[in-house]
Amino acid sequence: EADIYQTPRYLVIGTGKKITLECSQTMGHDKMYWYQQDPGMELHLIHYSYGVNSTEKGDLSSESTVSRIRTEHFPLTLESARPSHTSQYLCASSEYGVQKTQYFGPGTRLLVL
Amino acid sequence: AQSVTQLDSHVSVSEGTPVLLRCNYSSSYSPSLFWYVQHPNKGLQLLLKYTSAATLVKGINGFEAEFKKSETSFHLTKPSAHMSDAAEYFCVVSFLAGGGADGLTFGKGTHLIIQP
Repeated sequence: EADIYQTPRYLVIGTGKKITLECSQTMGHDKMYWYQQDPGMELHLIHYSYGVNSTEKGDLSSESTVSRIRTEHFPLTLESARPSHTSQYLCASSEYGVQKTQYFGPGTRLLVL
Repeated sequence: AQSVTQLDSHVSVSEGTPVLLRCNYSSSYSPSLFWYVQHPNKGLQLLLKYTSAATLVKGINGFEAEFKKSETSFHLTKPSAHMSDAAEYFCVVSFLAGGGADGLTFGKGTHLIIQP
């Protein structure tokens, strides 16, 4: 079944640690996105990709980085986690083109102590 | 500038009664409009999408929304609320000429509470 997956679902980690949030989709979508969502707030786009070897920064500035080596995989990395990074991170994908529906993964809740 | 406004941060209804979640947008371009639902500790699920075809859009779980260009609104409705409808609802607008990934703009969300 075509879907979009995120791991881990929950992560509690200490300050200064390097973390990678995984996102994979089996829908064959070219475009992928990372959003950050603080509790009770709207989503803000932090990264997106048009396809392999394409990465762009979104509307909200983020210290995280992303890579797109394979179509189905779009991991997000924080080199040195800080408490200010505590948030929910949602991954999404869509077909290439304008105004295409974005399909979301279940999200990763990150808590940095 | 494009924007989307969800007029109510919280809506509380009794089970079995109608649901109305309000959304207004502003745009100089022809938008696509979406409603997503987010249950606690879950990702976003697409409820329905408007793309300039029929102005009344039917979605999953009995939800529907009507696009009214003259009022720049895209309100979400359901005739009879169910306890399982309790969740956060986001109105999302995609502008054809928007910058960034797809010009997607999210509303701040409406928390729907269902009273037994």
